[in-house]
Amino acid sequence: DVKVTQSSRYLVKRTGEKVFLECVQDMDHENMFWYRQDPGLGLRLIYFSYDVKMKEKGDIPEGYSVSREKKERFSLILESASTNQTSMYLCASSPGGGLVNTEAFFGQGTRLTVV
Amino acid sequence: DQQVKQNSPSLSVQEGRISILNCDYTNSMFDYFLWYKKYPAEGPTFLISISSIKDKNEDGRFTVFLNKSAKHLSLHIVPSQPGDSAVYFCAASGRTGANNLFFGTGTRLTVIP
Repeated sequence: DVKVTQSSRYLVKRTGEKVFLECVQDMDHENMFWYRQDPGLGLRLIYFSYDVKMKEKGDIPEGYSVSREKKERFSLILESASTNQTSMYLCASSPGGGLVNTEAFFGQGTRLTVV
Repeated sequence: DQQVKQNSPSLSVQEGRISILNCDYTNSMFDYFLWYKKYPAEGPTFLISISSIKDKNEDGRFTVFLNKSAKHLSLHIVPSQPGDSAVYFCAASGRTGANNLFFGTGTRLTVIP
């Protein structure tokens, strides 16, 4: 079974802090994604990566950055956390490598609260 | 601009009856459609998918129907069970980027025992 693991289930951070959310997948997938889920807005794509050291902006990249130094790990960074970044953050991976029409596999989510 | 829309935020159904969840999309380049199920405080889990070359795909109690001309898909669950109570997200992808999935806003299904 594909496993996508997010480092924390719950986080509470203060406004202005730099926050790191870590995600690891164990299926040698090439594509990795970060989404946030908010009530009434569904899942919105923040950033994605289709290869090591490659990153692309999604629909809502402002206030975030990402890092992918190794294939299995994709980190989301909140440079200076703000209260409007309080949300559920979801990491996902999918095979890539020319394979199309495949599902993405999600981690369990990180509930981040910025106070 | 929301390319995938789920216009019903919630749906309540009696146990044993059929649940029908609907989804519309605007981008004609989408060629693969998926449904995910999400419980609170968990990540979404893949449920069923359909390629644009088909109009129906069935997996046990779950059937997805695709109407390309109307840019509409639906998920049928029959019979509905209390354990089906969750938020259901419709998603779509095309052959762009890393096959990014575009998600709808979700429909909360409640199956009443």
